[in-house]
Amino acid sequence: EPEVTQTPSHQVTQMGQEVILRCVPISNHLYFYWYRQILGQKVEFLVSFYNNEISEKSEIFDDQFSVERPDGSNFTLKIRSTKLEDSAMYFCASSPGGTFQPQHFGDGTRLSIL
Amino acid sequence: AQSVTQPDIHITVSEGASLELRCNYSYGATPYLFWYVQSPGQGLQLLLKYFSGDTLVQGIKGFEAEFKRSQSSFNLRKPSVHWSDAAEYFCAVGTFTGGGNKLTFGTGTQLKVEL
Repeated sequence: EPEVTQTPSHQVTQMGQEVILRCVPISNHLYFYWYRQILGQKVEFLVSFYNNEISEKSEIFDDQFSVERPDGSNFTLKIRSTKLEDSAMYFCASSPGGTFQPQHFGDGTRLSIL
Repeated sequence: AQSVTQPDIHITVSEGASLELRCNYSYGATPYLFWYVQSPGQGLQLLLKYFSGDTLVQGIKGFEAEFKRSQSSFNLRKPSVHWSDAAEYFCAVGTFTGGGNKLTFGTGTQLKVEL
């Protein structure tokens, strides 16, 4: 069964540094998402992406965050200047076309900011 | 705004016992509801979904859930729990924004299975 893959599985970064989290969504999917889960808290929506543009973003997704689909297969989340509070598990998800096709999640990238 | 409440943070059941995990939602329109499971170190795996129609939906791994509009609930059930079911379970409501659907998750229920 096709999977969403995320790399790296764990990223350790110094505060203030830029970090890029990478995702390869399922190949025929059209909608792409990023979520995050701070340790001990609920999974929170960050951003959705469709047709090469952001379709919705949460209050968390401020100017420090950006997403990109640089080619036909990758979907990236960039945090420009990381803060301690950005430490979390970041999940990428994708879904096919159609109003309510379920999202398929990757295994996540654990981001640790020192 | 939509929200999801999972009242039980931790639940412990004996292997072979029945299981019910509670989920209540708040949403102004017809809800689109999901249950996901997360094993340690893994991503979120879809167990089942409800969009419309039959209010009792079947999922993978022997799970089922019942949508009750009058109670704003979507409880997850399994008749006989296996040790491998130990994981964290998340209920979510989906809202379609035109550019995909956004999931709002509950805080999760951690299931422990005693042998």
